[in-house]
Formats: sequence, C-alpha cells, structure tokens
Amino acid sequence: QSVLTQPPSVSGAPGQRVTISCTGSRSNIGAGYDGYDVHWYQQLPGTAPKLLIYGNNNRPSGVPDRFSGSKSGTSASLAITGLQAEDEADYYCQSYDSRLSGWVFGAGTKLTVL
Amino acid sequence: QVQLVESGGDLVKPGGSLRLSCAASGFIFRDYYMSWIRQAPGKGLEWVSYITKSGSVIYYADSVKGRFTISRDNAKTSLFLQMNSLRAEDTAVYYCARSAGDFWSGYFDSWGQGTLVTVSS
Repeated sequence: QSVLTQPPSVSGAPGQRVTISCTGSRSNIGAGYDGYDVHWYQQLPGTAPKLLIYGNNNRPSGVPDRFSGSKSGTSASLAITGLQAEDEADYYCQSYDSRLSGWVFGAGTKLTVL
Repeated sequence: QVQLVESGGDLVKPGGSLRLSCAASGFIFRDYYMSWIRQAPGKGLEWVSYITKSGSVIYYADSVKGRFTISRDNAKTSLFLQMNSLRAEDTAVYYCARSAGDFWSGYFDSWGQGTLVTVSS
C-alpha cells in the first residue's frame, strides 16, 4: 500500500483536460513548513518511466506545456490539457517521506484517452 | 545524451544472489547521486537504494535493508547492486536512475531501460 494515494485510473477525450491527484500526509508532501517537493513521471507502455514534472511545477526540457503540476498542503495534482492519444500512459507521483526515510511513489494512475 | 544501461538480470532461485550493473555515459558520473528503483510485474514503482557521489552515504528501503548492497565505481562510471538472500517478492524490473535535486527534494531525471530479475524455484 503506497503512502501516496493516486486514483487507479482517469480518462478523457482528445482535447479535454484531466487532472490526477496525489494525496500524502504530514510525513511527506505536507511535512514541515513547505513540505517535500512532488515530482511526476510518465510511463508509456513497455518503456521506462520518464520525468515529467519536478519540484512541484517545473517541466524538464522537451516536456510540452500541456503538462503542469501543483501542490497544496498534503496533496499535489498533475494537469494535462489538450489530451492527445500519445498521452495514454501510467503516471506516478513521487516525494520524500521522513517517517520511512526514503523516497516514495504513488501506486500510479492509468490514463486512457477515449 | 545521458545513457544508463543496466545488465545482470536473470532467473535465480529463492535464497540466491545476483549482481546488477549499470553503465553510465553522456554525463559526469562522479557529479551525481544515483539510485536503483524497481517495478514488480504489473505493479508500481518502488525506490530501492541511493548512493551519494563518493559512495560515502547510502540509503536502502526497509524491504531490502541487510540483503542488498549498492556501490559505484566512478572511474568506470558504473553503478552496482549486489542482491543476496533473494525472495520471490524481489521479482521485478530493476532500473538504474540518476538522482537530481537536493536530498529532501530529490527526483530521478534519467532512467535506464531496466533489467529483469526473476526469483523462482
């Protein structure tokens, strides 16, 4: 059971906007004054994960601005606008957990583009 | 560009041992923290171990502590994972990943393609 909770699945039609939530606790996302940063990864079928968002809301070079992240309190969200068929993948959130003394991932959310 | 290539995955019996390797190129290896992350078949991601640039500080997930040993050879730009006392629940694809950011805000900005470890009798 993951310490970061994500919905198992979300779906949307091409062109629509979807959001994926990541709920943690005061030992990870909501820790201390600012909490620990949340990062997001995209895993296309049969491939290795790829960094999508780092530091809550920063996009690595090459990631389209259709992808954005936010964080508030003990939760974070990934938003994808202008859904495209190629966005169909598993998405994982990740943070640091002080109680476990290590990095933790959510269980992943499968995005289906209808 | 950054390349991480894992090797060493295999079928091994419960209680057995295996050593994974990760060959790094395209960046200054000695300047980066590194990690191993695994993914059981059909499951999510699990961070396994982390090593600092010099190898002086190491962390493990509780699930592998005392059984796995991470190490690195900066001269050969390689990362290793020695896995002992393997269990069925260690069956997974093991990814080598470059760690970025500060320790508390750390994330994994480059991943290898993974190597499959299967523990079964």
